[in-house]
Amino acid sequence: SQQGEEDPQALSIQEGENATMNCSYKTSINNLQWYRQNSGRGLVHLILIRSNEREKHSGRLRVTLDTSKKSSSLLITASRAADTASYFCATEGAQKLVFGQGTRLTINP
Amino acid sequence: DAGITQSPRHKVTETGTPVTLRCHQTENHRYMYWYRQDPGHGLRLIHYSYGVKDTDKGEVSDGYSVSRSKTEDFLLTLESATSSQTSVYFCAISAAGSSYEQYFGPGTRLTVT
Repeated sequence: SQQGEEDPQALSIQEGENATMNCSYKTSINNLQWYRQNSGRGLVHLILIRSNEREKHSGRLRVTLDTSKKSSSLLITASRAADTASYFCATEGAQKLVFGQGTRLTINP
Repeated sequence: DAGITQSPRHKVTETGTPVTLRCHQTENHRYMYWYRQDPGHGLRLIHYSYGVKDTDKGEVSDGYSVSRSKTEDFLLTLESATSSQTSVYFCAISAAGSSYEQYFGPGTRLTVT
């Protein structure tokens, strides 16, 4: 069973624009993580936000967490061609991470 | 990149044959994981290990077994490969379990014909 569901499944924007991806989940969590996957590569950890945090920043990334709505969002500001990738949210439960199916982000030059 | 390697990187095998995939880490992390990634299903946990000789099942463990005799190596075995096990397999490591970030290997593409 998959806990996190990303929305949209695919997103295409122009370089320089901001990209927002959302993740919804069903049960209570201790933390939520976001990962990036470039085509043909393994996942790369981007950011972890704990259940008692509401917002976290890392460079051009901004993650929010709303535990009352069981949702999180990942904002990438000033997008670049190199941001083209799939982005996954992952929620922790019973010593395991459960990944969503991802958002495929394409940055057009 | 974290020191994680997977071997082989690509493999084609026939239905019914045994297959072993290897994950090797140089980070001395306690936790190791095997996932499979398929279109439409995202990433799903097969098995994980929380120490030498300590393993547990994940979401899709049927048809797979694992072993961890050393901290640095985590083996995934398909006892009798089936076409439904055609997938990309990723190994991941974590210093302290699922409350912390995981580092992923480059993946193994397995095709069962």
